[in-house]
Amino acid sequence: AQSVTQLDSQVPVFEEAPVELRCNYSSSVSVYLFWYVQYPNQGLQLLLKYLSGSTLVKGINGFEAEFNKSQTSFHLRKPSVHISDTAEYFCAVSSRGNTGNQFYFGTGTSLTVIP
Amino acid sequence: SAVISQKPSRDICQRGTSLTIQCQVDSQVTMMFWYRQQPGQSLTLIATANQGSEATYESGFVIDKFPISRPNLTFSTLTVSNMSPEDSSIYLCSVGGVRSTEAFFGQGTRLTVV
Repeated sequence: AQSVTQLDSQVPVFEEAPVELRCNYSSSVSVYLFWYVQYPNQGLQLLLKYLSGSTLVKGINGFEAEFNKSQTSFHLRKPSVHISDTAEYFCAVSSRGNTGNQFYFGTGTSLTVIP
Repeated sequence: SAVISQKPSRDICQRGTSLTIQCQVDSQVTMMFWYRQQPGQSLTLIATANQGSEATYESGFVIDKFPISRPNLTFSTLTVSNMSPEDSSIYLCSVGGVRSTEAFFGQGTRLTVV
């Protein structure tokens, strides 16, 4: 089974500063990688995903992530954060099984943007 | 993409009672997933619901506590039975299929058991 580790449970950052949210995964098979965002009192929204190809993936709201196979990492970055980026961020992996994809989520990173 | 409607969005229930959560998808999907998100924690998969067969439950979750129905390819229900305060969580419906590499989520049901 896969596991996902988000190394930082809380990340405070000043507005317009860069941010990196870390994610490592463990898997013996090929996986798909995702970052989801959850705004207060809302469901999960997909930020970006890595399926194959270029290891640098660009998503919505100016976020990007880089897949590093040797380090089994998929860190999320944004060069300049806004107040509206304050939310919970979840890294997830999925693997293709016989009957479809099953997702495994990290414990989440709470990003707080400070004015 | 898939649009998922989940009802109710929130509820406050008495301990010992049961609540049924509905999940409606705007397209036919092979698999539907039910997750629990306890306060301050990540998502934990409760079970996978396939149309026409019994749901598959993850370790720590049992059918008597969380019975699931999947009557067709666009609809599923999760019942939280004999509730206790420990069941207070957000319950999320998700869809994905053999051809889908992405999970889509409903808005969630915020359950408080008093």
